[in-house]
Amino acid sequence: GQNIDQPTEMTATEGAIVQINCTYQTSGFNGLFWYQQHAGEAPTFLSYNVLDGLEEKGRFSSFLSRSKGYSYLLLKELQMKDSASYLCAVRNGGNTPLVFGKGTRLSVIA
Amino acid sequence: GAGVSQSPRYKVAKRGQDVALRCDPISGHVSLFWYQQALGQGPEFLTYFQNEAQLDKSGLPSDRFFAERPEGSVSTLKIQRTQQEDSAVYLCASSLVGSGNTIYFGEGSWLTVV
Repeated sequence: GQNIDQPTEMTATEGAIVQINCTYQTSGFNGLFWYQQHAGEAPTFLSYNVLDGLEEKGRFSSFLSRSKGYSYLLLKELQMKDSASYLCAVRNGGNTPLVFGKGTRLSVIA
Repeated sequence: GAGVSQSPRYKVAKRGQDVALRCDPISGHVSLFWYQQALGQGPEFLTYFQNEAQLDKSGLPSDRFFAERPEGSVSTLKIQRTQQEDSAVYLCASSLVGSGNTIYFGEGSWLTVV
């Protein structure tokens, strides 16, 4: 079966750092993606990990541990515009469709 | 085109009515995906095309749902005899072939069945 778990909601303060965790149990693994989705808009790509370790891209970083079935998205220097849902998704193999978690709704407060 | 384009953006259908949702993928993208997203949930996979071939339709919830991509470009998702539980956002996405390639989403078609 496929199971991707992430917290439903998180709140963090402007300027702070927040870590959004994702654990997965899937029939195969060929990459983990993070997407950002503002209310009423399309999901937009943030990051891709296929090997263990940390991928850094500006204020956003994503980490993967394949042996633990675990990833996190780290957002630094939070801004109000970072308030959105963050979706963790796993690709099982090849060019197969992504399997998504339910998303984490992040609220950034002043 | 510059991005994935979907139409209509919003659709209100009476229960029992048939609807057709269109997706125009990014030019050159071989793979095309349809997802259904309920409010407050993550996208749920419906079906997937590579060129005109429908490689996986395991996510279609019932035989009232049908998708096609006859020329390997534009795709249509058709829902027959709509029911209230079909109310959701229908997201289309496209990508190049290759496991590391990013999937790009359209803004979705918001379907409300009344």
